[in-house]
Amino acid sequence: AQKVTQAQTEISVVEKEDVTLDCVYETRDTTYYLFWYKQPPSGELVFLIRRNSFDEQNEISGRYSWNFQKSTSSFNFTITASQVVDSAVYFCALSEVYNTNAGKSTFGDGTTLTVKP
Amino acid sequence: GAGVSQTPSNKVTEKGKYVELRCDPISGHTALYWYRQSLGQGPEFLIYFQGTGAADDSGLPNDRFFAVRPEGSVSTLKIQRTERGDSAVYLCASSLNSPRGGPPDTQYFGPGTRLTVL
Repeated sequence: AQKVTQAQTEISVVEKEDVTLDCVYETRDTTYYLFWYKQPPSGELVFLIRRNSFDEQNEISGRYSWNFQKSTSSFNFTITASQVVDSAVYFCALSEVYNTNAGKSTFGDGTTLTVKP
Repeated sequence: GAGVSQTPSNKVTEKGKYVELRCDPISGHTALYWYRQSLGQGPEFLIYFQGTGAADDSGLPNDRFFAVRPEGSVSTLKIQRTERGDSAVYLCASSLNSPRGGPPDTQYFGPGTRLTVL
């Protein structure tokens, strides 16, 4: 069965600090996809990134970067120079491709990030 | 363009009542998903539609829960004999397509319906 663990329930940082959100996953599939979503106070989940299991290159998008390490089953998310607007709940999710319908995602319980001015 | 919309935004009902939650996906999206999010937890998969048919309903917790998508667009999640444990935010998402064995398209989520069962 697939499982996603986000061990950090809450993180609080001061603006401009860097922060890393951890995500560890379990799956028996060799082909799978990993996602990060942001859920601001308004409640709507916003897609941030999708990564497939064959692509272990790290990715950077502006102040956001992602570190995928298959050897440790981790897909960590770093925000550089955090801003107050980054305050939200962040979810990591996993989709297996062949054992289930593609797109059915298993989510972690989220990490609540608070960025203080 | 318009995103995924869900109505009502809030629903308060009494234990034992029947409720219907509606989801309007992004136009042209063939895949539609329902998730349930309890306080302090991540979304939990309920059911997935590809077109009009339920391709995967393995997440529905019991037979009190049912969902339809008769014309392949709008979907309704129906809950019979509601229980206090059904209280949660019900999220709907849609994507262009999500074929088995293929890469999942990006899911776009609606704002959710907050259901409170008293």
